[in-house]
Amino acid sequence: DVKVTQSSRYLVKRTGEKVFLECVQDMDHENMFWYRQDPGLGLRLIYFSYDVKMKEKGDIPEGYSVSREKKERFSLILESASTNQTSMYLCASSAVSSNQPQHFGDGTRLSIL
Amino acid sequence: GENVEQHPSTLSVQEGDSAVIKCTYSDSASNYFPWYKQELGKRPQLIIDIRSNVGEKKDQRIAVTLNKTAKHFSLHITETQPEDSAVYFCAASAGNTPLVFGKGTRLSVIA
Repeated sequence: DVKVTQSSRYLVKRTGEKVFLECVQDMDHENMFWYRQDPGLGLRLIYFSYDVKMKEKGDIPEGYSVSREKKERFSLILESASTNQTSMYLCASSAVSSNQPQHFGDGTRLSIL
Repeated sequence: GENVEQHPSTLSVQEGDSAVIKCTYSDSASNYFPWYKQELGKRPQLIIDIRSNVGEKKDQRIAVTLNKTAKHFSLHITETQPEDSAVYFCAASAGNTPLVFGKGTRLSVIA
């Protein structure tokens, strides 16, 4: 069974801090994704990666960056956290073949004070 | 790019009744349509998916139908039970492009 692990379930940070959200998957998946989930807005794609050291912008990349130094790990970085980045963040992974389902982590509920 | 619309945003049904959630998509190249269920405080989990070479797929009480001409697909849950209460998301993608999700439907099954 695919396991996608996010480093924290809950995180509280202050405005202006640099924040790291970590995600690790154990299925040797090539594709990894970061979403934020807000009530009424569904899941919005922030960044994704199809390979090590590759990254692509999603729909809402502003204020975020990512790092993929190893295949199993995909990090989301908030360069200077702001209150409007308070949200639930979900990581997902999938195999490289076309039309493969994404498997999600449990999410990190991030609060920026 | 792809745009996925999902309706209704909330749905209440009596236990034992059927529930239907509908989604439309804009990109005719989309060929993969999964449905995810997210229970309160938990991760979204895939419950069923359909590819464009198939018009309908069924798994016990859950079925999905796809109309490529009209660019819409639907989730059907029969004999609903309280444990079906959750938020359901539809999604669409073409080839190896990222999934584009609908905004979700909150289903409440009333015992």
